Amino acid sequence: QSVLTQPPSASGTPGQRVTISCSGSSSNIGSNAVNWYQQLPGTAPKLLIYSNNQRPSGVPDRFSGSKSGTSASLAISGLQSEDEADYYCAAWDDNLNGVVFGGGTKLTVL
Amino acid sequence: QITLKESGPTLVKPTQTLSLTCTFSGFSVSTSGVGVGWIRQPPGKALEWLALIYWDDDKRYSPSLKSRLTITKDTSKNQVVLTMTNMDPLDTATYYCARTTEMAATRPFDYWGHGTLVTVSS
Repeated sequence: QSVLTQPPSASGTPGQRVTISCSGSSSNIGSNAVNWYQQLPGTAPKLLIYSNNQRPSGVPDRFSGSKSGTSASLAISGLQSEDEADYYCAAWDDNLNGVVFGGGTKLTVL
Repeated sequence: QITLKESGPTLVKPTQTLSLTCTFSGFSVSTSGVGVGWIRQPPGKALEWLALIYWDDDKRYSPSLKSRLTITKDTSKNQVVLTMTNMDPLDTATYYCARTTEMAATRPFDYWGHGTLVTVSS
């Protein structure tokens, strides 16, 4: 069981906006930044969002992140078929003194 | 251009010790703020962080696996090695190494290797 909680699945149609939630606690999301990773089928994870809402170079602005208290969200607007992937949130945990990941959310583009 | 590549055995027997090497280029693990971590993913399951080593040789381990893990770095070879003892079939997973560096007060894994599948079976 993962320390950070994500819904196992999400879906949307092309062009729609979808959000994926990530719930934690005061020792991780509540006191540290959240990072998001995208894992396309059969590939390694890729950094999508860092420091709650920052996009690395090359990541489209359709992807955005936010954090409030002990929860964070990833939003994808203008959904495209190539966005079909697994999405993971992650944060440092001060109690565990290490990185914790969410259980991942499988996004399906209908 | 930053690249990382994992190498090691693809098959190990239960109770054996696994040694994986991450060979990287395009950065140095002696640069302030830089680290290399290991993350694994059992087939069809979620990512699990294992260990981290930083430029100053600070090491962090997953509490649940700490007794079985050792992470070391060889700056001259641009390599980081992860050793995991007493392997079990439940340790079957794809093992990734990834670079971490400070970005806006956080340290995400910004570059990843392709991963190496390790199967534990007799």
